[in-house]
Amino acid sequence: EAGVAQSPRYKIIEKRQSVAFWCNPISGHATLYWYQQILGQGPKLLIQFQNNGVVDDSQLPKDRFSAERLKGVDSTLKIQPAKLEDSAVYLCASSRTGGNEQFFGPGTRLTVL
Amino acid sequence: GESVGLHLPTLSVQEGDNSIINCAYSNSASDYFIWYKQESGKGPQFIIDIRSNMDKRQGQRVTVLLNKTVKHLSLQIAATQPGDSAVYFCAEIWGGKLIFGQGTELSVKP
Repeated sequence: EAGVAQSPRYKIIEKRQSVAFWCNPISGHATLYWYQQILGQGPKLLIQFQNNGVVDDSQLPKDRFSAERLKGVDSTLKIQPAKLEDSAVYLCASSRTGGNEQFFGPGTRLTVL
Repeated sequence: GESVGLHLPTLSVQEGDNSIINCAYSNSASDYFIWYKQESGKGPQFIIDIRSNMDKRQGQRVTVLLNKTVKHLSLQIAATQPGDSAVYFCAEIWGGKLIFGQGTELSVKP
């Protein structure tokens, strides 16, 4: 089966600019996750969707980050405005409903200058 | 901007030797643990999992050991190969969330 797709793979922006990332989960996976992975650290959950509803966004910096999954399939994560400390890899993952195994995409490496 | 991150623990082994990667987890109430492998430029990849009611589980060339008394996980890789070079993360399921520990960078010398 095809894996989790993400785009773009790399993005370089100036601070205070906006950026958006796109994720297409594995077909049939109802649960979708966005993680932030800072260099040298493990991924940290930002938001979890079940179909098109938000299950957990407690660690999402809502003053600048937003995410949506309008039709319960693809998802976008947006940062507006970006800060230097947002430089990280943004990973998307998906899983079957109730499944413990999450399948990760290749990530988008964001550099904020 | 310059990214500042933690310095990863590293483990260097000779090809063919066995590797042991250790991890301390945070929550005594966690009931499920996973080891992930992350190669450069890729997302984490599932290796093996274990439930809290077990203390050992074996896969192909990998074994995970769980010591709940001291909240410790280990991953053993038999006959380590160059393709095993990666960063390895342990993770726990707690409160419905996947929480990653600090990674260990494994380097395999040919």
